Amino acid sequence: GAVVSQHPSRVICKSGTSVKIECRSLDFQATTMFWYRQFPKQSLMLMATSNEGSKATYEQGVEKDKFLINHASLTLSTLTVTSAHPEDSSFYICSALKSQNTEAFFGQGTRLTVV
Amino acid sequence: AQKVTQAQTEISVVEKEDVTLDCVYETRDTTYYLFWYKQPPSGELVFLIRRNSFDEQNEISGRYSWNFQKSTSSFNFTITASQVVDSAVYFCALSEGISNFGNEKLTFGTGTRLTIIP
Repeated sequence: GAVVSQHPSRVICKSGTSVKIECRSLDFQATTMFWYRQFPKQSLMLMATSNEGSKATYEQGVEKDKFLINHASLTLSTLTVTSAHPEDSSFYICSALKSQNTEAFFGQGTRLTVV
Repeated sequence: AQKVTQAQTEISVVEKEDVTLDCVYETRDTTYYLFWYKQPPSGELVFLIRRNSFDEQNEISGRYSWNFQKSTSSFNFTITASQVVDSAVYFCALSEGISNFGNEKLTFGTGTRLTIIP
């Protein structure tokens, strides 16, 4: 199967700082990547859809200026949480879509804690 | 609007027992895809199955089986002879058939936490 790698797996940052999370498809080119957020013991909620070379499409209620997404290449999408606050603490997980008829592959997730 | 309901929040069974996880979905689309994922304590999502709306055949994969009932909008998942390693949170998910592959954005259920007691 295809491999999607997220980095870092865990990060603790101070309130007011920005944090960048990377999502890489290691052995395939991903035209589309998705970013999800999961609160403790809750479901995954789609935040945005990221297409290579174009602006991300954000879901309703997700602040574009707070969660900056960049999909500069076919193997890398980044999510930057700007001016992080404790309420941004969550588990962020990405998935990458191969161009062929396969399921989307998920990264390992990043646990963000804002203190 | 799409919706996925997993009414069972938590289930505990003794090892070797069979267990069924329920999933009920809502969609206005005639073409859609249903998924099951496993999320162990480490957090990553493990893909288990994808099924399109035109294929109502039940599927069996080892100890896992899935029952797709379009008439009741359900896509239930059964684990037979459960093992401790099956302990995880299981998510049912739905996607619209926008593309040919049905791999568009997923709407997840709230998950069922399954604990297998040794």
